[in-house]
Amino acid sequence: GAGVSQSPSNKVTEKGKDVELRCDPISGHTALYWYRQRLGQGLEFLIYFQGNSAPDKSGLPSDRFSAERTGESVSTLTIQRTQQEDSAVYLCASSLLGTQETQYFGPGTRLLVL
Amino acid sequence: SQQGEEDPQALSIQEGENATMNCSYKTSINNLQWYRQNSGRGLVHLILIRSNEREKHSGRLRVTLDTSKKSSSLLITASRAADTASYFCAPTYSGAGSYQLTFGKGTKLSVIP
Repeated sequence: GAGVSQSPSNKVTEKGKDVELRCDPISGHTALYWYRQRLGQGLEFLIYFQGNSAPDKSGLPSDRFSAERTGESVSTLTIQRTQQEDSAVYLCASSLLGTQETQYFGPGTRLLVL
Repeated sequence: SQQGEEDPQALSIQEGENATMNCSYKTSINNLQWYRQNSGRGLVHLILIRSNEREKHSGRLRVTLDTSKKSSSLLITASRAADTASYFCAPTYSGAGSYQLTFGKGTKLSVIP
């Protein structure tokens, strides 16, 4: 079956512009996660969606970052007024239940803010 | 942050040799997972070991867990060039935010043909 997909694969934008990143999780997975990975670093947790529960937004670095998820399907991560330090690979993952089991990752979106 | 710390940071071996990388963590875990990342993109889950397990195998992979030392190791036997990647451990804990995977900087493995 299809894995987690993300779009776009790469995004180059100018400082100050808004960007929207999309994630399509594996069908039937109730949990969805966004992470950020800066060059040569580990993953930083950004946000977690589980079913209809209120999302855990504790990892979002600033109020310029927001994310939405429609039911148990597509999620979008929006970064407003992008800054150069936002340049990173943004990874989305999904899991069946969100209870510490395996997370399945998409290929990521590489964002470059000029 | 309760991320795992991988060691060494980089490892270079010849094809056919075994590769061992280690992970240390700070507090009691529920389970520990190992992931592989190629070319700085998506991560692939390799193996999950639970806190009550000491060793687990999957193909050429062998993972051990020593909860008394708060450490885990990943052994790749008979390495291949295709094993070249970064490897991350992700311990998971109880309590709030327990679903989060926290990764360190990883071990960058290079397998030379």
